[in-house]
Amino acid sequence: DTGVSQDPRHKITKRGQNVTFRCDPISEHNRLYWYRQTLGQGPEFLTYFQNEAQLEKSRLLSDRFSAERPKGSFSTLEIQRTEQGDSAMYLCASSTRQVLSGNTIYFGEGSWLTVV
Amino acid sequence: AQSVSQHNHHVILSEAASLELGCNYSYGGTVNLFWYVQYPGQHLQLLLKYFSGDPLVKGIKGFEAEFIKSKFSFNLRKPSVQWSDTAEYFCAVTHNTNAGKSTFGDGTTLTVKP
Repeated sequence: DTGVSQDPRHKITKRGQNVTFRCDPISEHNRLYWYRQTLGQGPEFLTYFQNEAQLEKSRLLSDRFSAERPKGSFSTLEIQRTEQGDSAMYLCASSTRQVLSGNTIYFGEGSWLTVV
Repeated sequence: AQSVSQHNHHVILSEAASLELGCNYSYGGTVNLFWYVQYPGQHLQLLLKYFSGDPLVKGIKGFEAEFIKSKFSFNLRKPSVQWSDTAEYFCAVTHNTNAGKSTFGDGTTLTVKP
C-alpha cells in the first residue's frame, strides 16, 4: 500500500499521559497536514509542513501539542498531559504541492485517541 | 474566518433516487472547493474539486457539483444513487490567502436503502 499510513490506529491512554502519533506520507509528497476530527464534525485543521518546515499552526494546537517533520519525510504529532477533550481522530494527509495548484490531498485512515 | 455549512446532517434515500447535498461557504475571496467521501471504515477520499473554469464539475462515480459564486454554494448531485453510495460526505474550502488549510463542513451522512 503506497498511501498515507498512520500509527497507531487506536490509542487508549490515561489522562495526563503523553501520546505520540506517526504519519508516513506518500513518498514523493512534500506537503503534510494534520487534522483532528471528533464525532459528528468535519476535520479541523491543526498544522501543515512543506518539507521539514512547519508553515502554519492552528490556534487549536495548544502548547501541549507539538508536531515535527525532521527530515521532510515522516511526521510525528505529540500530545503532552492528555486531557479528555483530546479524544478524537487525528488525521494525517499529504500532497505534492499546495492545494491551490490543483493537487489532491490524500488522507490516511487516522489515529483514534481515547483519553480515559 | 471562513466557514462551511452543510445543511443536511442525515439523508435517507431509496436506490435510484436523485441526490442533492447542500454546501455553503462564507468567504468573499477566491476559493477552491472540494467534496470528499468517507465510506464506512475507510479514509477520506476526494470525490471532485473546483479550481477555476466551468462551474459544473464532474467527479468519480457519477457525482457532480455546481459552483454558484453568487450564492456561495457548491452543491453535490447525483441523478441516481446506489446502495454503495452509503457514506459520509464532506464539503471543504481552501482559499488563496491560506493555501495550506482546508475548512471542512460537519458532513452529511447518506444512507441508501436497497
